[in-house]
Amino acid sequence: GQQLNQSPQSMFIQEGEDVSMNCTSSSIFNTWLWYKQDPGEGPVLLIALYKAGELTSNGRLTAQFGITRKDSFLNISASIPSDVGIYFCAGPGTSYGKLTFGQGTILTVHP
Amino acid sequence: GAGVSQSPSNKVTEKGKDVELRCDPISGHTALYWYRQSLGQGLEFLIYFQGNSAPDKSGLPSDRFSAERTGGSVSTLTIQRTQQEDSAVYLCASSLDLAGGFTGELFFGEGSRLTVL
Repeated sequence: GQQLNQSPQSMFIQEGEDVSMNCTSSSIFNTWLWYKQDPGEGPVLLIALYKAGELTSNGRLTAQFGITRKDSFLNISASIPSDVGIYFCAGPGTSYGKLTFGQGTILTVHP
Repeated sequence: GAGVSQSPSNKVTEKGKDVELRCDPISGHTALYWYRQSLGQGLEFLIYFQGNSAPDKSGLPSDRFSAERTGGSVSTLTIQRTQQEDSAVYLCASSLDLAGGFTGELFFGEGSRLTVL
């Protein structure tokens, strides 16, 4: 089946630092999604990318859909304590409407 | 309610018992998903319902797992003869009608944390 490899698995940073994480796929995707899960909550969609090469920003977040359509990255600028959580990349599964998720990047921000 | 509602939020059971987990999706959402999240792991797809179509059960790990969706709304995930490896957070999500195209936006509940002793 489709696999998404997400890295790094975890990050420990100081408040104010920038963060970068990425995701690679074993197959070509036509959609890349980034979700964030706060502790004790379900994941929430942050950014959706629908076109190869697309660069999209949402506040301090920037995500790009790789040209090869097999990768994507997410950057967070000037991190703050509320950025703490697990960040997941996701892409279409093997049937329409289904999503496959990466293993997640656990982000810890020290004040 | 405004969001996806799951119950119970926490369930502790003994090995071998059956458990039922309930999901009430956002009103009007025709697609409903169950995912499992084990400690330190990503989200593992279990099952997906879309309208009146046959559900995609390809992610169910064994025949001890089953799910149903009644009246196109509430869903129940049943785990029979629970094992310790079933301990995880079970997340339900819903999304809008896919007929207009799938945006990828799933709305998740807070999950049901299952602990099998």
